Amino acid sequence: QQQVKQSPQSLIVQKGGISIINCAYENTAFDYFPWYQQFPGKGPALLIAIRPDVSEKKEGRFTISFNKSAKQFSLHIMDSQPGDSATYFCAALWGNQFYFGTGTSLTVIP
Amino acid sequence: KAGVTQTPRYLIKTRGQQVTLSCSPISGHRSVSWYQQTPGQGLQFLFEYFSETQRNKGNFPGRFSGRQFSNSRSEMNVSTLELGDSALYLCASTRGGTLPYEQYFGPGTRLTVT
Repeated sequence: QQQVKQSPQSLIVQKGGISIINCAYENTAFDYFPWYQQFPGKGPALLIAIRPDVSEKKEGRFTISFNKSAKQFSLHIMDSQPGDSATYFCAALWGNQFYFGTGTSLTVIP
Repeated sequence: KAGVTQTPRYLIKTRGQQVTLSCSPISGHRSVSWYQQTPGQGLQFLFEYFSETQRNKGNFPGRFSGRQFSNSRSEMNVSTLELGDSALYLCASTRGGTLPYEQYFGPGTRLTVT
């Protein structure tokens, strides 16, 4: 059973556009929600994270929007660049274990 | 500060053999988690160690085992390798303890079973 559901599976965006990746969860005990970026041949890199008591967190071009009542959170990449082309994973923490979404392959077209 | 390191980076084994992978966490990090990553299954949690104790275990057969040493370094072992064990094995470390629970990944070990 997938504890964190991520969509879309793949995304193609024009350079300068906004990329939006969504995640949904059921377990209200999750208390930390990070996003990871992974390039081919590399391990995932922590991008940005949020706690459930905050509705939005912004770091540079990356923003997490968190909707506690809907049990959803999303990653917004503003002014998307070709260098942002990678696989993105959302995750949620419960106790000492992280639960990951299945990943979104983002391609930014020049 | 050095990141999470994993050795070896690449490994080719034959079905039925066993393999040991090594992970050195970021200095000061006491928690180490292991994940299996495959194209079809994404990131699957194997187990998590904190201060030499396994605190969590994922849904993998007993052929997958791990341990953590007093210096927080960790190893995972896979016995009686099967073709389906071919994957990228990722190690991640955190400080452990209280939030924020920032988890950092190593580059992974690419295991190919033939």
